Amino acid sequence: KAGVTQTPRYLIKTRGQQVTLSCSPISGHRSVSWYQQTPGQGLQFLFEYFSETQRNKGNFPGRFSGRQFSNSRSEMNVSTLELGDSALYLCASREVRGSMNTEAFFGQGTRLTVV
Amino acid sequence: GENVEQHPSTLSVQEGDSAVIKCTYSDSASNYFPWYKQELGKRPQLIIDIRSNVGEKKDQRIAVTLNKTAKHFSLHITETQPEDSAVYFCAASIQGGSEKLVFGKGTKLTVNP
Repeated sequence: KAGVTQTPRYLIKTRGQQVTLSCSPISGHRSVSWYQQTPGQGLQFLFEYFSETQRNKGNFPGRFSGRQFSNSRSEMNVSTLELGDSALYLCASREVRGSMNTEAFFGQGTRLTVV
Repeated sequence: GENVEQHPSTLSVQEGDSAVIKCTYSDSASNYFPWYKQELGKRPQLIIDIRSNVGEKKDQRIAVTLNKTAKHFSLHITETQPEDSAVYFCAASIQGGSEKLVFGKGTKLTVNP
């Protein structure tokens, strides 16, 4: 099985611009979550999508948004970029089995640098 | 909301020694506790997890213990090897379908040969 694939791997953007990151989950995984990883704050939950619906959202401003398509692929968008948005953005996919928590498989991440 | 504290932030051991990393959580509703290992420049990977109906779980050199009353859980690595060097993250979540892992800040483990 192919793993979780994130594109692009690296991005450099200017303050004020917007950016779209993509995540293709493992085949059969319908849940996709996004996390921001920084040296100071560690791994922080952004949001989770399941069946094209956002099920949970972390404490990030509205500039951070996402969506999920019918094939479970997900995108996240950050508008009006700030220097503090520089981070590694990780997505994780998991199989959904009722109410049981299952292993989250992470992608390699997209390294975003805002200059 | 849930808050997870992880200690220590750095840990250095000699090859063959044991390493212990401890985490505490605040939300008594949390009932799923995974541990992830992240090597430099790589993705986090699950190494072991435990659910609240279990007090201890082992997988070869790795074990996790959970104390629900005290709201803390620990990772134990025995007979450490240089390839165990990485950053380890604990996390907590509430079983119920929706995925929201709350992570500790991580422990950088260095195993000296």
